Formats: sequence, structure tokens, C-alpha cells
Amino acid sequence: AQTVTQSQPEMSVQEAETVTLSCTYDTSESDYYLFWYKQPPSRQMILVIRQEAYKQQNATENRFSVNFQKAAKSFSLKISDSQLGDAAMYFCAYRAPHSGGGADGLTFGKGTHLIIQP
Amino acid sequence: DADVTQTPRNRITKTGKRIMLECSQTKGHDRMYWYRQDPGLGLQLIYYSFDVKDINKGEISDGYSVSRQAQAKFSLSLESAIPNQTALYFCATSDNDWDTQYFGPGTRLTVL
Repeated sequence: AQTVTQSQPEMSVQEAETVTLSCTYDTSESDYYLFWYKQPPSRQMILVIRQEAYKQQNATENRFSVNFQKAAKSFSLKISDSQLGDAAMYFCAYRAPHSGGGADGLTFGKGTHLIIQP
Repeated sequence: DADVTQTPRNRITKTGKRIMLECSQTKGHDRMYWYRQDPGLGLQLIYYSFDVKDINKGEISDGYSVSRQAQAKFSLSLESAIPNQTALYFCATSDNDWDTQYFGPGTRLTVL
């Protein structure tokens, strides 16, 4: 079974600084997808960024970028120029194509609580 | 208007009661999912559905049942609620294997 590990229960960063959240995963699949979701106090799950495993280029979305290391099974999220609105729980998630025979759906890590200090 | 809606948003019930959580979507997606989130944990998959006639168990389906009434509607039932089912419940949709999953706003359920 796939597992997703987020080793940082909590991170703190000064406003305008850069922070990196770590995620590792375990899978025997070669084709899969990785996601970072943000959950603010409103509890809504908001997609931050996604990465297809077959793509070598790291995904970027404005101030958010990932460092995807397929061989190391590592998928970290970098947030540049941190803003107060970035304060939230961040979840790393994995999805393999259902055509691979496994259950459909996302496998989540336990999350990292990101605190932004003014 | 939100693409994925859940009702109710909050619910308090008593042990042994039957309760239904409802999910509706206007995204036109075939696939729908129910997840559970406990404090300090990520989301765990309860059930998922590829279409009205195709429903599958996830990793924590015991104590739950689902109904896919239409492409746009997917309901989660607790036949006899127990306190350890107190959690935040999310519905999600996606279009296919490689699509992002889009989440509803969540239902906070408390079982006393």
C-alpha cells in the first residue's frame, strides 16, 4: 500500500521569508500524481499545486513550487515570500491511476501546520 | 455558487441514531468520493463511486454505507452512529484517473 509521510508537524516562518515543507512517499508504481492541498481554518481543502510523475520539470504556481525527486520519492513544497494568508495546514497527497488495479482516491500525509509570523 | 456542496455543514447527534450526509456537484464529474478527517490526521477514504452503478469501499468503510442517487449526488449514511465517528467528513469529485480531486466544504459531525 502507498504511504505518505510528512515529518514536520509544525513549521514557522517570518512573513516575506521562504519556507519548505517536506513530503516523502512510498509506492511501487511508476506512474502517479502528487498534490499539495492547503486547509485554512475555514477547513476547506484547497489545491495548491500538482505534479505528474512522468514530468521531470518541477511544477510552479506563482509563489509555490515543488522539488520533485522521483528516485528519492520526495516531493517538497516551497513557499516564497510567505504571506499571512498562507497560514494553514498543508497536506501532501498521492494518487495512482485506478487502471493500476488499486483503489481510486488520494492517500494523504498527516499534514504540516504552517505558522506565519508577522 | 460552489461546485461541490455538502449538507449539513454541522451536525450533532446521539449514539445509535441514523444520519445521512449529502453531497451534490455541478462539475459534471463521474467520480465521487467520501473522506473522513480526524484531528491530527490526513483524510482517509471511506467510499468512492465511478458512476451510479459502480460503488467501491475505501480503506475505512466499516460502519458506513453510501448511495449514488444520480451522477451529481452521493450520500453517506451512518446506520447507527457511535462516538468514534465524530470527525470532519469531506466529499470530493474528479473527472478521471489523472484529474485533480475537488473538495466540498466539509461536514463536522459530532456523535454524543
